[in-house]
Amino acid sequence: DIQMTQSPSSLSASVGDRVTISCRASHAITTSLNWYQHKTGKAPKLLIYGASTLQTGVPPRFSGSGYGTDFTLTISSLQPEDFGTYYCQQSYSTPRTFGQGTKVEVK
Amino acid sequence: QVQLVQSGSEVKRPGASVKVSCKASGYTFTTCGISWVRQAPGQGLEWMGWISGHTDTTNFAQRFQGKVTLTRDPSTNTVYMDLRSLTSDDTAVYFCARDCGGYAILDHWGQGTLVTASS
Repeated sequence: DIQMTQSPSSLSASVGDRVTISCRASHAITTSLNWYQHKTGKAPKLLIYGASTLQTGVPPRFSGSGYGTDFTLTISSLQPEDFGTYYCQQSYSTPRTFGQGTKVEVK
Repeated sequence: QVQLVQSGSEVKRPGASVKVSCKASGYTFTTCGISWVRQAPGQGLEWMGWISGHTDTTNFAQRFQGKVTLTRDPSTNTVYMDLRSLTSDDTAVYFCARDCGGYAILDHWGQGTLVTASS
């Protein structure tokens, strides 16, 4: 199975800050990497697919990059509604493993 | 608009089985598959398996093979997840999510179903 490792596990940032979350795959996965935002009690929301393609309706302050084993999700200017846990997920092979999550708190 | 509506919360005894439904609307059911993802209390997301939208083809994470059955009813646009031999470790929120082309890009999700296994 491909292991996905995210860092940091949690962060706290202020409104307007630039936030970066990293995700590393244990094997190369080309650009088969998706990012989700999950708020407690709600369904997860797809933000980015194919490592860098913004899902329809997602604000452009979210962006993704990376190839192979190292990937990044960036929020260019953190907003109050961006709190939640962010997960990367590889779609290169089954099982479609998720990272352990990065909890984002907005100060 | 695309919607996935899941059945309600369940409480089951250890050793029992539970069947969770996921009814799709707003798109052609046979064009996309459905993946199932669970979140145990205090834990992250875990991909369980997938069923095709136009055949009965399934694919599971190894730990769920023999534990989970996925079926589909195209006449009602509904996918079912059958989870058997429940233990306390199966207590979790279970989500279905649309998965077009089997690429595991989960673009629409159900609201989640809490399954509690408790004596």
